[in-house]
Amino acid sequence: QVQLQQSGPGLVKPSETLSLTCTVSGVSIGSGTFYWGWIRQSPGKGLEWIGTIYYNGNSYYHPSLKSRVTISVDTSKNVFSLNLRSVTASDTAVYYCARQWIQIGLDYFDLWGQGSLVTVSS
Amino acid sequence: EIVLTQSPGTLSLSPGERATLSCRASQTVSDIYLAWYQQKPGQAPRLLIHGTSSRATGIPDRFSGSGSGTEFTLTISGLEPGDFALYYCQQYGGPLPVTFGQGTRVEIK
Repeated sequence: QVQLQQSGPGLVKPSETLSLTCTVSGVSIGSGTFYWGWIRQSPGKGLEWIGTIYYNGNSYYHPSLKSRVTISVDTSKNVFSLNLRSVTASDTAVYYCARQWIQIGLDYFDLWGQGSLVTVSS
Repeated sequence: EIVLTQSPGTLSLSPGERATLSCRASQTVSDIYLAWYQQKPGQAPRLLIHGTSSRATGIPDRFSGSGSGTEFTLTISGLEPGDFALYYCQQYGGPLPVTFGQGTRVEIK
């Protein structure tokens, strides 16, 4: 079955870069059937969409994070990754990767990774 | 950005009762669709409803979604013990960004 497995450090220092990877199994990112997204959840803001990428590298970002975010994809390894630069304590959250359907456009998320708690602290 | 406001913040009900959760969009956009998710402590959200009213794979028919325009509803008919959780709505089909509501907690009365 399709699974999304997240990896990356749980602690990042302020001003540094948060990096997470999502390894997809059971479906090929390169098939182009789905988008692949990142969402975060913090107590103060609930669920927040960060951005989404397609197999060909086309990406879409939340306007409030666009200047600091890069989402990339490696179809040969079937992974996609999140980089969030210049982090502050307000970026502390549980980060999720998820599969996003393409019917209307960037649609709903039907499969989620296990979540990664990332704490920004020195 | 379309802001989704969920109400009530907390719903206190007994097993077997009917739960009605509301999600209101800040603006009317043609072709806006809603998805609903259930989240339990320590778990990722689980898709319940997409396309406003279509149940996701494996979701029991006591979960139903409805609405259009700016008013959307998730109904759980006959709450079971595993249904007491957090519920989020998400809009798509309108202009980016994709947005989520702040959540409704369904708790045991």
